[in-house]
Amino acid sequence: DIVMTQSPDSLAVSLGERATINCKSSQSVLYSSNNKNYLAWYQQKPGQPPKLLIYWASTRESGVPDRFSGSGSGTDFTLTISSLQAEDVSLYYCQQYYSTPLTFGGGTKVEIK
Amino acid sequence: QLQLQESGPGLVKPSETLSLTCTVSGGSISSRSYYWGWIRQPPGKGREWIGSIFYSGRTYYSPSLKSRVTILVDTSKNQFSLKLSSVTAADTAVYYCAREIGGHSGYFDLWGRGTLVTVSS
Repeated sequence: DIVMTQSPDSLAVSLGERATINCKSSQSVLYSSNNKNYLAWYQQKPGQPPKLLIYWASTRESGVPDRFSGSGSGTDFTLTISSLQAEDVSLYYCQQYYSTPLTFGGGTKVEIK
Repeated sequence: QLQLQESGPGLVKPSETLSLTCTVSGGSISSRSYYWGWIRQPPGKGREWIGSIFYSGRTYYSPSLKSRVTILVDTSKNQFSLKLSSVTAADTAVYYCAREIGGHSGYFDLWGRGTLVTVSS
């Protein structure tokens, strides 16, 4: 199984500041034949279903604000919120879909400082 | 827009079978573009993918649960279901159904709200 490790577990960022969340996979999720990273990011607020933010490591889902961006390749990935808004307080987690079983990171809680 | 809704008992006794249904509304479960999956999250733990199904009935399961899991689809009702046998307290979790993009091995673009299932006598 591919193990997904996120860091930090939580972070507090001032409004308008940048938030950076890391996700590391135990093996590469880059498929060489199409040069795509099989990595997605989700946001989940309390009492709500998870919301897809990013797929293919850097493609923003329709309707997701452009302050959210994904980067990285191979085994190391980053979700960046360029200017934190109050509504971004949430839990964020990554998921690899390179191979089954599909696996998720443990999550990063983002709060306002 | 398309929505998913989980339903089923919130309490299951140890050794019995957990049964949940996901009803898809606002769209057809028979789309060739999607699989339909189950994911769970035990209290205080991470998310765990259980398995997924195509409208044709083709399934793929997590190896760790495969011996106890059955996922079925009912296209006439626009539903798919999860059965998990021989449950223990370790199966207590919030269970989510979700739409999966990417075919065999994909990401999830739409989720249900989740339903808490507690395994207890």
